[in-house]
Formats: sequence, structure tokens, C-alpha cells
Amino acid sequence: DVKVTQSSRYLVKRTGEKVFLECVQDMDHENMFWYRQDPGLGLRLIYFSYDVKMKEKGDIPEGYSVSREKKERFSLILESASTNQTSMYLCASSFRQGAAGEQFFGPGTRLTVL
Amino acid sequence: GQQLNQSPQSMFIQEGEDVSMNCTSSSIFNTWLWYKQDPGEGPVLLIALYKAGELTSNGRLTAQFGITRKDSFLNISASIPSDVGIYFCAGPRRRDDKIIFGKGTRLHILP
Repeated sequence: DVKVTQSSRYLVKRTGEKVFLECVQDMDHENMFWYRQDPGLGLRLIYFSYDVKMKEKGDIPEGYSVSREKKERFSLILESASTNQTSMYLCASSFRQGAAGEQFFGPGTRLTVL
Repeated sequence: GQQLNQSPQSMFIQEGEDVSMNCTSSSIFNTWLWYKQDPGEGPVLLIALYKAGELTSNGRLTAQFGITRKDSFLNISASIPSDVGIYFCAGPRRRDDKIIFGKGTRLHILP
């Protein structure tokens, strides 16, 4: 059974803290993605990675960075958390890119920044 | 840029009713995807459509790729409580082939 896991389901942090969100997939997928989901805005792509140590900005990368040191693990980093980063964060992975690659999602991390 | 517009934003229906929702764009898509997100979970792919006019079923779900390639429809027949959730349409953006998502249709089922 394919699986994408995220380190926390719920997280509460203070403004200015450094935050790490971890994602692990067990499907040997090349591609991994971080999205944020906000009511009325749907899913928006923050960053994605198509190989170890490779990363590309998505549509809303400001305030975020990522790390992919191992194929199975993709981390999202908030260098200095702000209240407008309160959101649901979803990680996904896929074997192929684009339309041919079904994306498998983790359960999400609901982050609250106070 | 390319956008996907889903309607309705939310639906309240009785158990057993049929459901219809759609997704439109001002630009052409070559693939349409429908995902469902259960409460507290990540989205899961339901149906993928690759050809204009294509009609594909997955159990009680049926999706169609519009002839103009600018829209897609998802129907659910005889709804049951586990159909509750958010349904997203998605498709590859032309400029970089990245998948973009609509804002979702939230389905509520009344007891």
C-alpha cells in the first residue's frame, strides 16, 4: 500500500520561530511536492523537487525553503514563521511529472502560527 | 494565467440523491483530473480523463472531458454518507506542465 507520511498532524508555533515540516514517501518516487491549502483558495504549489538535492519554486515560494537530501524525504522550512503562514500543508509525491503522474498525498499538517 | 473554476462551491444534498459538479477554464486543458479529499485526509485521485469527449466511470462516479476541452463534469449517483468531502478538479498547466487545482466543491450530505 502506497504511503506518504507527514511528521505532524497539528503544530502550533510562535511568530518568528523556525519551523520544519517533514514528509516521507515509501514508493521510490522521483517527484515530491509541497502545497498549502486555504479555504476558498484550493491547493497552491509552494515548492517541488524532481530529484535528490534538486528543487524548483512553485507559485508561492516566498517565506519558505525546502530540503531534499534523500529520495524519500522532502522537508519544508519556514525560516521565520508568520501568522499569514497559518494553513494546512500537504505533501505529495509522484512517479512521473505532469499529467501522467498521479500524485499521492499525505494526510496534511495543520499549522497554526500565533 | 490558467485557472480552474469549480461550481458549486458547496452542496447540501440528501442521502440517495444524485450529484453534479463541474469545472471550467478559459483555456484548453489536455488532461482533466478529479480528486477527492476526505475530512482530515489528503486528496486522492478518483478519475483521470485524457481525451476530449471521454466519459469514464469509477463505481458510482462518472466524469466527462468536455468537447471544447475547456470543461469537465463529475457526477455521483445515489450518494452515500462516505461521499462527504471536497472534490477538486485539476489539470496540467501549459507553461510548465505543473498540476493546478480548482478551489474545490464541498459536498455535505444531510441525514
